[in-house]
Amino acid sequence: DTEVTQTPKHLVMGMTNKKSLKCEQHMGHRAMYWYKQKAKKPPELMFVYSYEKLSINESVPSRFSPECPNSSLLNLHLHALQPEDSALYLCASSHPGLAGGPSYNEQFFGPGTRLTVL
Amino acid sequence: SQQGEEDPQALSIQEGENATMNCSYKTSINNLQWYRQNSGRGLVHLILIRSNEREKHSGRLRVTLDTSKKSSSLLITASRAADTASYFCATDAKTGGFKTIFGAGTRLFVKA
Repeated sequence: DTEVTQTPKHLVMGMTNKKSLKCEQHMGHRAMYWYKQKAKKPPELMFVYSYEKLSINESVPSRFSPECPNSSLLNLHLHALQPEDSALYLCASSHPGLAGGPSYNEQFFGPGTRLTVL
Repeated sequence: SQQGEEDPQALSIQEGENATMNCSYKTSINNLQWYRQNSGRGLVHLILIRSNEREKHSGRLRVTLDTSKKSSSLLITASRAADTASYFCATDAKTGGFKTIFGAGTRLFVKA
């Protein structure tokens, strides 16, 4: 299985809602990533988990809360979002590097969740 | 400015022609990768080149890396309409924990 799955595909939420994005992989990868991508822009790294521990947090606002319950799952909990948070949220996974850190190897991306905040 | 910058921003060619995209970066890297993205969906990994490699091939793709100039190029030969997509370079920058930084991307349109 060489697939990263993400649910839901689309999500519309109000600014007072609480929702979660889910990501799953069964490739045995021990590094998992969350990216945010605005239209016609490149993906921007948000969080990196390596061996189920948060290793990189790119100064993301606390209204985004990541969670890695086990080596196959990655969640992103959303609370009190703003309309400017509307974007495509991409999950990726990879084998963690040895000396080079978690982003040393190719990353496999899921199809993304398109989030709209009203 | 961001680590990876690409040119051109957009490229329109005829089917059968070759397409060349360039990427420049600023800091030392472990590797450089190229990804393709269709219509705002997930990215597909194309090729990874390590900092000690100069050229790599995969099918119709050829990637070069010049670490002295901090630049890379992606050549797609004999392009097809199905190659229409956005192409991003991504560097494993040696800053703040080896995070991945994507370039701005090149939007390629191949006309049938």
